[in-house]
Amino acid sequence: NAGVMQNPRHLVRRRGQEARLRCSPMKGHSHVYWYRQLPEEGLKFMVYLQKENIIDESGMPKERFSAEFPKEGPSILRIQQVVRGDSAAYFCASSPPMGDNEQFFGPGTRLTVL
Amino acid sequence: AQSVTQLGSHVSVSEGALVLLRCNYSSSVPPYLFWYVQYPNQGLQLLLKYTSAATLVKGINGFEAEFKKSETSFHLTKPSAHMSDAAEYFCAVISGTSYGKLTFGQGTILTVHP
Repeated sequence: NAGVMQNPRHLVRRRGQEARLRCSPMKGHSHVYWYRQLPEEGLKFMVYLQKENIIDESGMPKERFSAEFPKEGPSILRIQQVVRGDSAAYFCASSPPMGDNEQFFGPGTRLTVL
Repeated sequence: AQSVTQLGSHVSVSEGALVLLRCNYSSSVPPYLFWYVQYPNQGLQLLLKYTSAATLVKGINGFEAEFKKSETSFHLTKPSAHMSDAAEYFCAVISGTSYGKLTFGQGTILTVHP
């Protein structure tokens, strides 16, 4: 059973461009979570999604950031008009529909904004 | 609201010595508690979890943690450190009111000296 897949692993963007980060959950997992790890900071929750639904987006910045988890295909975290402060590691995690709250993490996407 | 405090951003031990990484949590309801390890430029790997069963939890790689409700603590220990234990360790909590949202501590970097 393959683990959580994220791509790309590294992404370089210039200020003002768009960044799209993809996450494929583990097989059988219908819950996806996105976290951000900024330099010198801990991991911060961004958003929790189930298929076609956003359950909790309390950690998402109000502007430029959006997330989706369509019926088919990976979850996408989209950052529009990136700024240097968006440079960070973005981690996706997934969990099964029924469980004990354990989340399985992907290897992360490291975004660098020039 | 839930929160996690990890005492000590850096811990250094000698190979073979006891490892003790401290974690205190705040939660208004019985929590689920986790310890994750992160090696450089990698994702997070679950070490162990507390889900209201036994208060002494055994995890992978010889680590264990004890849930102490009276002290609101979930400290991570390992009797004998190995060089391969050098990594960053994160304590995290989910409480019933924030289902799906892992709240992480700031992390503790463990250094193991020969």
